[in-house]
Amino acid sequence: KAGVTQTPRYLIKTRGQQVTLSCSPISGHRSVSWYQQTPGQGLQFLFEYFSETQRNKGNFPGRFSGRQFSNSRSEMNVSTLELGDSALYLCASSLAGDERHTEAFFGQGTRLTVV
Amino acid sequence: GESVGLHLPTLSVQEGDNSIINCAYSNSASDYFIWYKQESGKGPQFIIDIRSNMDKRQGQRVTVLLNKTVKHLSLQIAATQPGDSAVYFCAENYYGQNFVFGPGTRLSVLP
Repeated sequence: KAGVTQTPRYLIKTRGQQVTLSCSPISGHRSVSWYQQTPGQGLQFLFEYFSETQRNKGNFPGRFSGRQFSNSRSEMNVSTLELGDSALYLCASSLAGDERHTEAFFGQGTRLTVV
Repeated sequence: GESVGLHLPTLSVQEGDNSIINCAYSNSASDYFIWYKQESGKGPQFIIDIRSNMDKRQGQRVTVLLNKTVKHLSLQIAATQPGDSAVYFCAENYYGQNFVFGPGTRLSVLP
């Protein structure tokens, strides 16, 4: 069974640009969550999507947005990039239906560098 | 939101010894916990989970202990190996909410 796949693995953007990251969950998983990981802040929750609907949202500005498609694949977008957006962006998928307590499996992440 | 913390940011152990990584959580309503291992350049890898109706759960060479009275979680690794060197995160979850991760503990296994 293939794991969680994130593309691209590495990305370099300049300030002010926008970026779109992609995540393909494990087959059969309907929940996709996004996290930002930085040395200073650790793993910070961005948002969670389930059945194409945003179910939870973290404390990030509106420049961070996401969506989920009918095949459960998800994208996140960051507009007007700032230097502080440089981070490892991780996607996690889980079965998470009505039973919310299921383990989440992470992808390798996308390393975003803003210059 | 609620945060999950760790007592020890770094831990060095001799190969073959047992390791204990601790975690304090702040939300007494949290009822599901996971330990993750993250190696350099990789995403976090699920190790073991525990629900709040349990106080101990064992896996292969790992044991998680949950003390709800003092809101404390620990991960015990038996016979620590060089491949166990990584950063370990605990994460808490309250039904309907997102996971909250601790800052992580770096485990270094000495030869």
